[in-house]
Amino acid sequence: GNSVTQMEGPVTLSEEAFLTINCTYTATGYPSLFWYVQYPGEGLQLLLKATKADDKGSNKGFEATYRKETTSFHLEKGSVQVSDSAVYFCALSDRSNDYKLSFGAGTTVTVRA
Amino acid sequence: NAGVTQTPKFRVLKTGQSMTLLCAQDMNHEYMYWYRQDPGMGLRLIHYSVGEGTTAKGEVPDGYNVSRLKKQNFLLGLESAAPSQTSVYFCASSDARGGTQYFGPGTRLLVL
Repeated sequence: GNSVTQMEGPVTLSEEAFLTINCTYTATGYPSLFWYVQYPGEGLQLLLKATKADDKGSNKGFEATYRKETTSFHLEKGSVQVSDSAVYFCALSDRSNDYKLSFGAGTTVTVRA
Repeated sequence: NAGVTQTPKFRVLKTGQSMTLLCAQDMNHEYMYWYRQDPGMGLRLIHYSVGEGTTAKGEVPDGYNVSRLKKQNFLLGLESAAPSQTSVYFCASSDARGGTQYFGPGTRLLVL
């Protein structure tokens, strides 16, 4: 079956630091990969996505590249801000699971001024 | 444009009580989903719907029922609440199979 593994948190950083959150996946087919973000007190919202190997998703300064050879989709941002404090979820959807989303456990990121 | 809304925001129940969580979307989406979020476990799919009048089981359906009588609404019912159902519940909708899902703000449920 499909599964997503994220690095455990919490992660605490200073403003302007580099952020990376590791995500690896297991899927039977060729999944689409997603990063969702949950700001305090809110629902999840799509941050970025990639639908095929070597695609790079990007949004709000965040990037992630779909690496089929390492089954990974690591999230990176070069210079974080306090407003990036949130919980980040890696997810995949795949035809074999009727395109339902499978989520990782989430990584809590706190950025200090 | 409200997107996806959920009612109520917070509820406390006693074991054995029943309640219904309401999800409404104004984006004319065909697909709707109910998830629960528990610490360290990400989101798990409870039930989903691929269109008005349809429902299907997700990963953790036991103890829950759903109905999709109108396209814009998706109801989640707990017939006899248990402490194990203490969680944050999120509703989501999408316009296509595998499309981007749009989430509501969540309902926090505490079962004593």
